[in-house]
Amino acid sequence: GENVEQHPSTLSVQEGDSAVIKCTYSDSASNYFPWYKQELGKGPQLIIDIRSNVGEKKDQRIAVTLNKTAKHFSLHITETQPEDSAVYFCAASMGDYKLSFGAGTTVTVRA
Amino acid sequence: DTAVSQTPKYLVTQMGNDKSIKCEQNLGHDTMYWYKQDSKKFLKIMFSYNNKELIINETVPNRFSPKSPDKAHLNLHINSLELGDSAVYFCASSRVMRTATTDTQYFGPGTRLTVL
Repeated sequence: GENVEQHPSTLSVQEGDSAVIKCTYSDSASNYFPWYKQELGKGPQLIIDIRSNVGEKKDQRIAVTLNKTAKHFSLHITETQPEDSAVYFCAASMGDYKLSFGAGTTVTVRA
Repeated sequence: DTAVSQTPKYLVTQMGNDKSIKCEQNLGHDTMYWYKQDSKKFLKIMFSYNNKELIINETVPNRFSPKSPDKAHLNLHINSLELGDSAVYFCASSRVMRTATTDTQYFGPGTRLTVL
């Protein structure tokens, strides 16, 4: 099955700086790559996703890039704010209903 | 309005008991899922139902039995609870899967199960 690796496991950034989280996937058939944000005591919430026919997608301060050749994708958060502090998960899917998740990155934004 | 809701939010029980977790979605989706999040926050799919039909059944002990009375509900029944079942269980839903792609999955708030 699909194996997704996510780095780093923890990330501390100064407010206003950028944060970057990287994921790699194993199966070249994967074609859907969502990113979820999970706040304490809550369920994961989709923040952005990208499909394999697109190389980059941006939504305000959040962007995702996909390199199909290298089988990796990244989340970029610019101008970080305290409310960005959370656990972020990447995931990959081959279009078979299954989402394979990375292990998560705990992001702390220091005020 | 809550899109995907779960009850209860917390469940504390003794080993050997049988318990159920309920999930409802009001998004009109046809596909629903159960995920387990362990103590290290790793998320893993357990089951998926599409229009009341089981389509994914990962390597989950048969003590876990999902039931979908209609496409808006997917309940999870667990028999003979064990200490290792302690985790947070998330329900999720998505639209009908289109060929060779995956639609966005929307997660519920989770049920924290503690087995003593």
